[in-house]
Amino acid sequence: QSVLTQPPSVSGAPGQRVTISCTGSSSNIGAGYDVHWYQQLPGTAPKLLIYANSNRPSGVPDRFSGSKSGTSASLAISGLQAEDEADYYCQSYDSSLSGVVFGGGTKLTVL
Amino acid sequence: QVQLQESGPGLVKPSETLSLTCTVSGGSVSSGSYYWSWIRQPPGEGLEWIGYIYYSGSTYYNPSLKSRVTISVDTSKNQFSLKLSSVTAADTAVYYCARVNRGSGWFRGPNWFDPWGQGTLVTVSS
Repeated sequence: QSVLTQPPSVSGAPGQRVTISCTGSSSNIGAGYDVHWYQQLPGTAPKLLIYANSNRPSGVPDRFSGSKSGTSASLAISGLQAEDEADYYCQSYDSSLSGVVFGGGTKLTVL
Repeated sequence: QVQLQESGPGLVKPSETLSLTCTVSGGSVSSGSYYWSWIRQPPGEGLEWIGYIYYSGSTYYNPSLKSRVTISVDTSKNQFSLKLSSVTAADTAVYYCARVNRGSGWFRGPNWFDPWGQGTLVTVSS
């Protein structure tokens, strides 16, 4: 069981907007540690998608956005495209574990 | 840009030690702005952080693996390595190395992982 909780799957039609939640606790997200998001396309290594809650690395489309509030964070994907079909992971730091924690991952299906 | 490449045996026998090396190009493991980390992903499962190292040699391990893990750095070769002892079938996974951005504000610990190596599958089997 992951320290950060994500829904196992989400889906949406092309052009729609979907959100993926990442729920933590007072020892990680709620303690003020930043949340980062990764996209893992089938058969490839994870790629940084959002860093420090809401920042996009160069080259990441502005269809991807992140936010954080309290003990949770969210990744939003607007204008859904077929190539967005992938697994998405959130990540933060946990002071109780004194280490890095990942969410269990969410599989996005584009209908 | 910085690139990372994992290397090592793809098959390890149960009870033996898994050894992998990550070679960094386009950047230096001696940079004080980053940690260097190992992450693994069992087939069909999620990501598990293994540990990370600073260029000074300071190491930080996942508590669940700490008793079996050793991460080291070789600044002369611009590489860092992973050793995982007493492996079992449960250690079968794709192993990734990655650079970790070190915080610059109130939190000086590990932040985001970027870039990642392509990953290498290690199977534990006799």
